[in-house]
Amino acid sequence: DSGVTQTPKHLITATGQRVTLRCSPRSGDLSVYWYQQSLDQGLQFLIQYYNGEERAKGNILERFSAQQFPDLHSELNLSSLELGDSALYFCASSVDGGGTYEQYFGPGTRLTVT
Amino acid sequence: ELKVEQNPLFLSMQEGKNYTIYCNYSTTSDRLYWYRQDPGKSLESLFVLLSNGAVKQEGRLMASLDTKARLSTLHITAAVHDLSATYFCAVDMLNYQLIWGAGTKLIIKP
Repeated sequence: DSGVTQTPKHLITATGQRVTLRCSPRSGDLSVYWYQQSLDQGLQFLIQYYNGEERAKGNILERFSAQQFPDLHSELNLSSLELGDSALYFCASSVDGGGTYEQYFGPGTRLTVT
Repeated sequence: ELKVEQNPLFLSMQEGKNYTIYCNYSTTSDRLYWYRQDPGKSLESLFVLLSNGAVKQEGRLMASLDTKARLSTLHITAAVHDLSATYFCAVDMLNYQLIWGAGTKLIIKP
């Protein structure tokens, strides 16, 4: 158990809908990362937040947005969902100190868009 | 643009054999990470390599880093079925991002 929690574990929704995925980082970690993993795209970095502020952006679609709250938990919002958005969504956290940015991954949310 | 290339992408091997997975990257970095992922599961950190010449070992797995060659290797000794998984390397961009390899799917047959 990495100490990173994600909810829900599974989500099934229809095209055009909007969903919110939630992540709580490990205690003491200030950085939260979001990743998308689908069979044909591998592991894709979406976005990173550090202590409430956006720090880095990857291949995140405009239909997707995220935020990190004062208690450091983070939410990833996916809107106007398409079939191609079906994937595993991982959250990871890191402490960002001591010379390493080692990331600890949550169990993931499996999103199925029908 | 930083590229991280793993090879092979797929490896099927017999128990008891040795093999090496390679991770090449295209720009300067002296920090590299190896992760393991079982099917449908999360990623688990295996090794953190923080300097040139770093070598880490855990059981039948050994990872090393050559920053001058921009190469990391993950060596498997006397493979067992339980090591079947997908292995990812990730290179630290030194700007808060990790750049990930495509992963090596390892199948170990009895």
